[in-house]
Amino acid sequence: DAGITQSPRYKITETGRQVTLMCHQTWSHSYMFWYRQDLGHGLRLIYYSAAADITDKGEVPDGYVVSRSKTENFPLTLESATRSQTSVYFCASTRTLTGSNEQFFGPGTRLTVL
Amino acid sequence: QKEVEQDPGPLSVPEGAIVSLNCTYSNSAFQYFMWYRQYSRKGPELLMYTYSSGNKEDGRFTAQVDKSSKYISLFIRDSQPSDSATYLCAMSGDYKLSFGAGTTVTVRA
Repeated sequence: DAGITQSPRYKITETGRQVTLMCHQTWSHSYMFWYRQDLGHGLRLIYYSAAADITDKGEVPDGYVVSRSKTENFPLTLESATRSQTSVYFCASTRTLTGSNEQFFGPGTRLTVL
Repeated sequence: QKEVEQDPGPLSVPEGAIVSLNCTYSNSAFQYFMWYRQYSRKGPELLMYTYSSGNKEDGRFTAQVDKSSKYISLFIRDSQPSDSATYLCAMSGDYKLSFGAGTTVTVRA
């Protein structure tokens, strides 16, 4: 299916465990983003990537690691999960940063850290 | 102080009413102003965008931007139950989008 997909959709884990959230897009968009969404905060940027092997920090990067070996995939890893990382995580992509910078979002991963 | 401020509501209106949503911002560099709609348990999707100041209309939706006041609005006319969602404003001046917290709207049948 064309578009942007995320897996898993729901995840429960324990404090201290490593968790990887997957993101895959079929449009060959250059730019990909990871956000977290929390009540009262809206969407906050964790990391973004301009191309394969090019990544940079966003607003709230602490505790997260990303990689991008292929254009279509952009996994997000929580190296040692904490309760404060309980959130809904959205991956997004866009073709270009010029103009309106319309970003296309995946369906989200709901992560609970116990 | 947040870069983009948006009243989270919630807002509940009867079917057919006009829904009025707004955001204020502090960064004068913002050039593109967007409204995303997010249904429950879904990802946000772009509803409308406006470049610089002015109005834009798309069917029942009207977006307004007043850069002098750093204030943007979204109006939904003849609201329908299917308009029930969270509406997020977003702004862009460089590579990233800055989002408001989102306003949850319920349209009662």
